Amino acid sequence: AQKVTQAQTEISVVEKEDVTLDCVYETRDTTYYLFWYKQPPSGELVFLIRRNSFDEQNEISGRYSWNFQKSTSSFNFTITASQVVDSAVYFCALTPVGFNKFYFGSGTKLNVKP
Amino acid sequence: DTEVTQTPKHLVMGMTNKKSLKCEQHMGHRAMYWYKQKAKKPPELMFVYSYEKLSINESVPSRFSPECPNSSLLNLHLHALQPEDSALYLCASSQETRGPFDNEQFFGPGTRLTVL
Repeated sequence: AQKVTQAQTEISVVEKEDVTLDCVYETRDTTYYLFWYKQPPSGELVFLIRRNSFDEQNEISGRYSWNFQKSTSSFNFTITASQVVDSAVYFCALTPVGFNKFYFGSGTKLNVKP
Repeated sequence: DTEVTQTPKHLVMGMTNKKSLKCEQHMGHRAMYWYKQKAKKPPELMFVYSYEKLSINESVPSRFSPECPNSSLLNLHLHALQPEDSALYLCASSQETRGPFDNEQFFGPGTRLTVL
């Protein structure tokens, strides 16, 4: 069975706080990709990152960082020094390589207040 | 050009109308997708076109009819819709390697559809 769980439905922080969005996944496949997408109020989903299951290196891109741990089946996303423009719904997603399936988590709505 | 465009932005239609949603990309992507998204839910996959052929149909009712006239265009024809079909319809495209979902998808801004 394939499943992506984002247990945090909604998070509110004050600007400049750090915030971590959790993503836990289930898959029996050994080769898969994990993704994070951002959906601002305008509606368009924006790709943030893709991670191959064989690459457990953490990644940092500016204020964004991702922690991939196969041992706990987690792919968490941290925003450092959050800004109001980070307010959006964030989706974690999974696809087993070569399968014609794409599994979105339910999303986490992040509210960053000034 | 890393943009996916969708028209119209908003559409209101009656249950007896026929309308079409349009999507266009010029990134040379060979996989294109239609998703339906209800409020506060993740997108749900409807159709995938791979190299202009329908490769995935997620058991979508026949009142939704996709069409891929060429590698840059994707249409969704709507006929006899129900009020519960009101949603945001998102188009996306991606390069395709082994499978259509292996690469990042580029999404359009969506068409917000209301069925009266």
